Amino acid sequence: NAGVTQTPKFRILKIGQSMTLQCTQDMNHNYMYWYRQDPGMGLKLIYYSVGAGITDKGEVPNGYNVSRSTTEDFPLRLELAAPSQTSVYFCASSYSSGLGSNEQFFGPGTRLTVL
Amino acid sequence: AQSVTQLGSHVSVSEGALVLLRCNYSSSVPPYLFWYVQYPNQGLQLLLKYTSAATLVKGINGFEAEFKKSETSFHLTKPSAHMSDAAEYFCAVSASDYKLSFGAGTTVTVRA
Repeated sequence: NAGVTQTPKFRILKIGQSMTLQCTQDMNHNYMYWYRQDPGMGLKLIYYSVGAGITDKGEVPNGYNVSRSTTEDFPLRLELAAPSQTSVYFCASSYSSGLGSNEQFFGPGTRLTVL
Repeated sequence: AQSVTQLGSHVSVSEGALVLLRCNYSSSVPPYLFWYVQYPNQGLQLLLKYTSAATLVKGINGFEAEFKKSETSFHLTKPSAHMSDAAEYFCAVSASDYKLSFGAGTTVTVRA
């Protein structure tokens, strides 16, 4: 199993440009997540999905959009890039058993710089 | 709402010395607690988790953590540090089926 894969690994955007960060998991997990990581701030949840066709906002959703058309894929869209979106983005997935104790599996991250 | 506070953003230890990383949580319901490790330029990897089965939890790479409800703490320890333990460590709490709240992280440096 490849686990959680993310593309691209690195990207530099100009202010106002758009891009999609790709995330795929092959573990048949029903839950998927997008986080951003900024120095000294830990990870902040951007959006999450509890299954295909269902998405919801996390702590910091402004400036981002997501979709979940399949169990495997959960792309994150930046429509009008701003310098404040310079960050490392992590995708994660987990299996829900209804107990709240399931670990999340993380991808390797995408390092995005907006200039 | 649930949250965690990690005490100390940076810890430096000598090789062979005790590693102690502190985490205190806040939760209105019985929490699930996690420690993740992040090696440079990689994603996060689970070290261990507390799910109420036992208060002393053993994880990978010789790490363990003890859940203390009276102190609302879940500190991470390793008796003898190795150079390969240099990484960033995150404490996280969950009280639901899917949302994790992460601490700010503690960077561990190991001196030869």
